[in-house]
Amino acid sequence: EAGVAQSPRYKIIEKRQSVAFWCNPISGHATLYWYQQILGQGPKLLIQFQNNGVVDDSQLPKDRFSAERLKGVDSTLKIQPAKLEDSAVYLCASRPRDYRTDTQYFGPGTRLTVL
Amino acid sequence: AQSVTQLGSHVSVSEGALVLLRCNYSSSVPPYLFWYVQYPNQGLQLLLKYTTGATLVKGINGFEAEFKKSETSFHLTKPSAHMSDAAEYFCAVTGANAGGTSYGKLTFGQGTILTVHP
Repeated sequence: EAGVAQSPRYKIIEKRQSVAFWCNPISGHATLYWYQQILGQGPKLLIQFQNNGVVDDSQLPKDRFSAERLKGVDSTLKIQPAKLEDSAVYLCASRPRDYRTDTQYFGPGTRLTVL
Repeated sequence: AQSVTQLGSHVSVSEGALVLLRCNYSSSVPPYLFWYVQYPNQGLQLLLKYTTGATLVKGINGFEAEFKKSETSFHLTKPSAHMSDAAEYFCAVTGANAGGTSYGKLTFGQGTILTVHP
């Protein structure tokens, strides 16, 4: 079974530029998450999708971050414009349809550096 | 609201020694607890989890953890450290309703970097 795929793996941009990350979850997984992991900290949830609907985006900085999950499969996370403090690893995770199975499966992440 | 505190951002042990990584949690609902491991430039991999039932949970690579409700703890242990255990470890918590349905949102601790010396 293929794991969660993310691209790009690394991205370097200047502040005020825009950037987008892509995630392909494990086939059949209904729930998809985006986490932000700042160096030296644990991952922090940005947004949770159930199929193509948003379940929780309470910690998403909506003035600059946006995310979508078209057709309930792939997802993109966008930052526009980027700030220095957005430098972090952005992790995508997915979870099976059975809500009692709480395991989230993580992708390798995208490391963003904002200069 | 939920929170996780990992005591010690860095732990160093000798190869063959006991590994003990500490995790305390706070949760207003029955917790589901997890330990994840992260190797450099990789995503998080699940080591073990506690949802219901037996409080001593065994995971991969010889790790185990014990859920202690009275102490709100979920410490991770391994009897004998191996060089390949060097990584960063994260404790995480989520909650579930009375029917056992998870809320899904994971709250992570700040992580503990484990160093293993020869």
